[in-house]
Amino acid sequence: QKEVEQNSGPLSVPEGAIASLNCTYSDRGSQSFFWYRQYSGKSPELIMSIYSNGDKEDGRFTAQLNKASQYVSLLIRDSQPSDSATYLCAVRAGANNLFFGTGTRLTVIP
Amino acid sequence: DAGVIQSPRHEVTEMGQEVTLRCKPISGHDYLFWYRQTMMRGLELLIYFNNNVPIDDSGMPEDRFSAKMPNASFSTLKIQPSEPRDSAVYFCASMEGPTSTEAFFGQGTRLTVV
Repeated sequence: QKEVEQNSGPLSVPEGAIASLNCTYSDRGSQSFFWYRQYSGKSPELIMSIYSNGDKEDGRFTAQLNKASQYVSLLIRDSQPSDSATYLCAVRAGANNLFFGTGTRLTVIP
Repeated sequence: DAGVIQSPRHEVTEMGQEVTLRCKPISGHDYLFWYRQTMMRGLELLIYFNNNVPIDDSGMPEDRFSAKMPNASFSTLKIQPSEPRDSAVYFCASMEGPTSTEAFFGQGTRLTVV
C-alpha cells in the first residue's frame, strides 16, 4: 500500500473556476502535510503546508486537513492558465520520511 | 546559497555500465533525500540521510543501488550495473531540520539507460 494516494487526473477546469485536488494517506501518525507544484521538466516547489485540522488559506490557495479521515485537499480559486502543472501531495511521517503521492495533473483552460 | 545542486543534469549510458549521480545540499541542512520520478510510479523516496547518516533506505529498489554521504556537503547515488528500467529523473532534496516546513529540490538528473 502506498503511503500517499492521489487521483492522477488529468483534471481540467476553465479559467476562473475552482480546482479541487485531493489526497489520502495511510500513516495515522503523520503530522505534517504539504502541497508541491511541479511544472513540466522542472523540480517540485512548495506552495502550502498544513499541520492542524481545518483550513489554511494563502492567497488563492486553501489547504484542508482532516486527520480523522486521513484526507488532505487543495483548493485553487480563480484558476489561471499559469496554475497548469502537476500538484504533489506530500506527508512527513515517522522519523522524518517525506513521502509523495504520484501527483495530479491540472490543466486550466483559457 | 545557490540551492541544491545536482550533477550531471542529463546522463545517457549503456546497460551494464556504472552510473554515479551527485548532489550538494544547501549549507546547514541536516536532511538529504534521494527520489526517483517516473510517470508510472511518481516520486519515490529511495533513501534519506540525517547528519550524513543513512536513516531509511527501504526505498532503494535493489542491491544495484547504493548511496553515500561522506560529508555534510556531498552525496552520491550509484547504480551498478545499470538497466533500462532505471531510466527516470532522480531528484535530490535537502531540509534544514526535523521541524522544517520545506524540502528544497535540486534540478534533477535525467538518466537514460539504453
